[in-house]
Amino acid sequence: EVQLVESGGGLVQPGGSLKLSCAASGFTFSGSDMHWVRQASGKGLEWVGRIRSKAKSYATAYAASVKGRFTISRDDSKNTAYLQMNSLKTDDTAVYYCTKAGLGFDYWGQGTLVTVSS
Amino acid sequence: QSALTQPASVSGSPGQSITISCTGTSSDVGGYNYVSWYQQDPGKAPKLMIYEVTHRPSGVPDRFSGSKSGNTASLTISGLQAEDEADYYCSSYTTSTRGVVFGGGTKLTVL
Repeated sequence: EVQLVESGGGLVQPGGSLKLSCAASGFTFSGSDMHWVRQASGKGLEWVGRIRSKAKSYATAYAASVKGRFTISRDDSKNTAYLQMNSLKTDDTAVYYCTKAGLGFDYWGQGTLVTVSS
Repeated sequence: QSALTQPASVSGSPGQSITISCTGTSSDVGGYNYVSWYQQDPGKAPKLMIYEVTHRPSGVPDRFSGSKSGNTASLTISGLQAEDEADYYCSSYTTSTRGVVFGGGTKLTVL
């Protein structure tokens, strides 16, 4: 059974940092591209960024709204993807989902809430 | 990168058919067959309903179908059921970020 479990969310002050983790199981993690998607309360889905597999040189890409502040990485030995978030703004408050890219985003985690507030 | 354009809401009665549109540009929807559709219930993670414009994952009822014409993709739900009431989002690969862009979402109400 495929499982994606996010962790690391919480309350952080504007300008602060937070690192989210996404622990994967039930599929060949090392061969999969992984994405992060966020959703502010009552709002739509927003793509945050992605990291490709080793075969694709771990290439990353980001939404314009987070580029230069967020960094996606992965540790294939731990079957885990990460989202390092720096210089956080109140607009970054959202539930953050990690999702596996297969044919579309075929599996999603349950999400972790990040609240940026003073 | 602007979000893809979806109607904010659509509604239909049980048994009827509805269509949700998703309009982008030649840099996303129109240029690639990488359009997906997701269903989201309140407080839940999205669920993949359609990938690569027309394909249904295993377990998705054949009442759900996808299509594309030019820069606009569409999701059609036929034989509407009460359980179909949810938010629906389209997404597409986009060259602007070499990533993904989502639509703003459409709330489907089954009357």
